[in-house]
Amino acid sequence: QPVLTHSSSASASLGSSVKLTCTLSSGHSSNIIAWHQQQPGKAPRYLMKLEGSGSYNKGSGVPDRFSGSSSGADRYLTISNLQSEDEANYYCETWDRNTRVFGGGTKLTVL
Amino acid sequence: EVQLLESGGGLVQPGGSLRLSCAASGFTFSVSPMNWVRQAPGKGLEWVSLITSSGATTYYADSVKGRFTISRDNSKNTLYLQMNSLRAEDTAVYFCAKVAAGSGSDYWGQGTLVTVSS
Repeated sequence: QPVLTHSSSASASLGSSVKLTCTLSSGHSSNIIAWHQQQPGKAPRYLMKLEGSGSYNKGSGVPDRFSGSSSGADRYLTISNLQSEDEANYYCETWDRNTRVFGGGTKLTVL
Repeated sequence: EVQLLESGGGLVQPGGSLRLSCAASGFTFSVSPMNWVRQAPGKGLEWVSLITSSGATTYYADSVKGRFTISRDNSKNTLYLQMNSLRAEDTAVYFCAKVAAGSGSDYWGQGTLVTVSS
């Protein structure tokens, strides 16, 4: 089954940009993934679906500041013009025929 | 507006059972696969189980296989998770999530806390 590895925790200043990485394990580099945001004390929120081609589709109400891209087995989430409410844990999710997998998450701190 | 509302969590002793429910509204429940995902205190998300739209096929994480059963009642727009032989390591917030084909878990409930302790 696929394994997802997140980049380590990140911090960035208010108004700046940050790029988070989720890496697919060998043999699964073409998988579609989903990015989710979980603010402290809240349920996860779906951000987008991201394909290996770099094409992405965002969920309802997700701000334009959020975008996705891909390179090989890496899937990226870029957040521009960081706001305080972007401070959260970010998780990627993928799936195969009979299982679903979440990465361990990346904690983003907005300075 | 899509809404998912979990219920049924609580404190249960090791070896005990609990049934979680997830009431769905705002979308066509009967055509949507559904997930249960859990989060232990201070930890990340862990997929638990998935059921297809008809309920005919189910999938489980190895950590719960043989102990948990996912089911659904499309006439009641409700998803269930029957949890038996509960262990301390099953302590977590349990979320139900709608699955969009090829897109991941696109809507999440607020979660219900299950605590397994003597």
